[in-house]
Amino acid sequence: RKEVEQDPGPFNVPEGATVAFNCTYSNSASQSFFWYRQDCRKEPKLLMSVYSSGNEDGRFTAQLNRASQYISLLIRDSKLSDSATYLCVVKQAGNMLTFGGGTRLMVKP
Amino acid sequence: NAGVTQTPKFQVLKTGQSMTLQCAQDMNHNSMYWYRQDPGMGLRLIYYSASEGTTDKGEVPNGYNVSRLNKREFSLRLESAAPSQTSVYFCASSEFPGSNTGELFFGEGSRLTVL
Repeated sequence: RKEVEQDPGPFNVPEGATVAFNCTYSNSASQSFFWYRQDCRKEPKLLMSVYSSGNEDGRFTAQLNRASQYISLLIRDSKLSDSATYLCVVKQAGNMLTFGGGTRLMVKP
Repeated sequence: NAGVTQTPKFQVLKTGQSMTLQCAQDMNHNSMYWYRQDPGMGLRLIYYSASEGTTDKGEVPNGYNVSRLNKREFSLRLESAAPSQTSVYFCASSEFPGSNTGELFFGEGSRLTVL
């Protein structure tokens, strides 16, 4: 079983839609959680951290469920520019970051 | 605003050839990393350097060597390339090992094909 698992997608949604991705992690001792965004043929960039109480950054909402060992990312009012691959990232003991395989989002006009 | 710079951006090798990927960062970060990215596999850590003078193996170190030349530069060497090493390689840096912000700054990637 992979340490961090994501549905690869693609998720095809119309502009203005709300879309949500989940990510599960296997190590219950994982310490911190993040979402990265990667545009096609580009490098990954940090989108947002995920806090235990949940957090928002504009149209993006991240949630953590430690009991079930998953994190989620909700995107409201999708824009064409949101089309990208979203990487779930988990910080393990020993400070290393483990990346999921990514979920591809395509927002259509 | 250079950030993390990797060279070369593209390379084609024959099986058995050697090459070195170069990486430099200008953000005065302590920690540097080499990842490879393959379809469906996510980014996998090859080697990292928590601070100048130290290097450690990551998840997939076999077939690679690294050198932390100074605080700015961290190179990755393939001594005898194999087709299984065909991948996109990313160098990254962070202020501290496992920075609490989770923020790694990545280079643009190096696309390597081994025939």
